[in-house]
Parts: sequence; structure tokens; C-alpha cells
Amino acid sequence: DQQVKQNSPSLSVQEGRISILNCDYTNSMFDYFLWYKKYPAEGPTFLISISSIKDKNEDGRFTVFLNKSAKHLSLHIVPSQPGDSAVYFCAASVGYGNKLVFGAGTILRVKS
Amino acid sequence: DSGVTQTPKHLITATGQRVTLRCSPRSGDLSVYWYQQSLDQGLQFLIQYYNGEERAKGNILERFSAQQFPDLHSELNLSSLELGDSALYFCASSANLDIQNTEAFFGQGTRLTVV
Repeated sequence: DQQVKQNSPSLSVQEGRISILNCDYTNSMFDYFLWYKKYPAEGPTFLISISSIKDKNEDGRFTVFLNKSAKHLSLHIVPSQPGDSAVYFCAASVGYGNKLVFGAGTILRVKS
Repeated sequence: DSGVTQTPKHLITATGQRVTLRCSPRSGDLSVYWYQQSLDQGLQFLIQYYNGEERAKGNILERFSAQQFPDLHSELNLSSLELGDSALYFCASSANLDIQNTEAFFGQGTRLTVV
């Protein structure tokens, strides 16, 4: 039973355009959400997070949107750069807790 | 470089065998987490240790066990290995008991292949 789903295995975007990565969750108890980025042969690195009391969090080119009623979150990258090409994982937890539940990841390719 | 060191990077072993994966957390981090990533799947939480004590358990098989030593490094022991145990095993560390307002830093992973 996948509690966190990333339904798009891959996404290809032109440099300079917006990348939108989507994530859906089923567990209504989740109240803290994170995005991680992973390059080949490296571990995931933290990108941005959002708690359920917010619907938007911004950090530079990265913005995460949370729609609690739809149990959906998205990561927007504007403008996209070739260096953003990586696997992006959505993760969720209950109460800022210590057990992260990850989605399967979306491969983002930014073409120059 | 996240500061989390995992050894070995690659491991190939036969079914039925036992292996030990090692993790050195970032300097000062008290929490260590272990995750398993099977092919085309997300990372699955296995277990967390905080300052030497087990604090949280995920879907960790009984054949798997872990511990955190006084110097805070951690080992994940996998025994009676099966083909389905082939996966990437990640260790992560964080300063606190939970991840609020702090990051969990991941190591590069150990790729285990069971043949």
C-alpha cells in the first residue's frame, strides 16, 4: 500500500521553463512534507519542506504547494536549469516525526 | 559530501549469507536512520537509533537487525539473505530525535546484490 505516490516516473523540460513535479498521498495523518533530490551514485539531499499549516513554501527557485483537501503537493522549479536534472523524491511524515514515507521518485531531465 | 559515510559501497553475496553494513553519521549527529530502496521503489524506512537506543521501527524484517555504538556509528546486519533483499541501503543522520527544522543527511548508500 503506497501512501505516497509520484505518478510520473519521468519529466523532461526545456532549460529556463518551469518544472512541476507532483505527489499525492493517502494518509490524512501526514502533516509534514519534504522534497529530496538525488543525483546518481549519491544519497538524497534535502531540498525543501512544508508543514500542513501552510499551503506554500518558497526557497529561491523552488516552491512547494500543498493542497490538503486534495492530498496533493507539487514542487515548482523556476527557471529550470540543466543542473536540476536528478531524481526527485517526495516524502511525508506524521508530526515532524522520524519515519519518512517516500514516493518512488520522478526523474527530471532539463534540456539545454 | 553529506558527511555521512557508508561502507562498503557495493556488496555481492550469496543467498543464505549474512552481511553487515556500516554507517558513520555526521559529526555531532545523534540520530541514525536506515532506509532500503528496492528497484523502482521509494525509500522504505527500516529503523532509527538515537544516542545508542532504538527509537523507531518501520517494516524491518526479523532477519535484519541494527545497533548504534557508543561512538554513534551504526551497523545494519542482514542475515539469511534472499534474492529479494537486493537493494540500495541508505543511512541518514540528523542532530535531533526528529526531523523538524533540521535536515536528515543521507550517505551514498550501499548497493547489496544477493545472487
